[in-house]
Amino acid sequence: AQSVTQLDSQVPVFEEAPVELRCNYSSSVSVYLFWYVQYPNQGLQLLLKYLSGSTLVKGINGFEAEFNKSQTSFHLRKPSVHISDTAEYFCAVRRGSTLGRLYFGRGTQLTVWP
Amino acid sequence: KAGVTQTPRYLIKTRGQQVTLSCSPISGHRSVSWYQQTPGQGLQFLFEYFSETQRNKGNFPGRFSGRQFSNSRSEMNVSTLELGDSALYLCASSTYGQGRDTGELFFGEGSRLTVL
Repeated sequence: AQSVTQLDSQVPVFEEAPVELRCNYSSSVSVYLFWYVQYPNQGLQLLLKYLSGSTLVKGINGFEAEFNKSQTSFHLRKPSVHISDTAEYFCAVRRGSTLGRLYFGRGTQLTVWP
Repeated sequence: KAGVTQTPRYLIKTRGQQVTLSCSPISGHRSVSWYQQTPGQGLQFLFEYFSETQRNKGNFPGRFSGRQFSNSRSEMNVSTLELGDSALYLCASSTYGQGRDTGELFFGEGSRLTVL
């Protein structure tokens, strides 16, 4: 079975500080990797995705993530956060052969303080 | 291009009742999937439809069912509601299976169900 582990359930940071949200997955097959963000009372919005190619992917709002196959990780980073980045972030994995199904981590609540 | 539309956004039911939630995918998307989100269990996969056929099902009891229509719109139904069914139900659509898969799912804003 697929599993996705987000190592931190809560990450508090000050505004303009860098942040890294960690994600590890277990899979013996090729996967697609995603980071989604959820603001209160809203659905999930895609931040970025890795399907193939360059292991460093850039997304919206200044976020980027690096795919590390040997460590089965896909950590999300941002060099300088804003208060508006306060939200819950979900790492997700999709097996190439699975029709559309995503396996999600439990989420990381990022709180940015002024 | 309109996004994924879910109705209703909020609803309150009592135990034992049944509920139907609706989802309209992005125009041109034929794959629709449903997820349940709760604080305790996180995001859990319910089922997925492609061209009116259920292709994948999560580990939920038979009280949870769904269907997809020829225009790709989807509904899910929960019968004999229990308190534990209180959750945010998210619908997502994608281009998987259409030869132009972009990989990601596009989510609606969800239907928040409260069971009293």
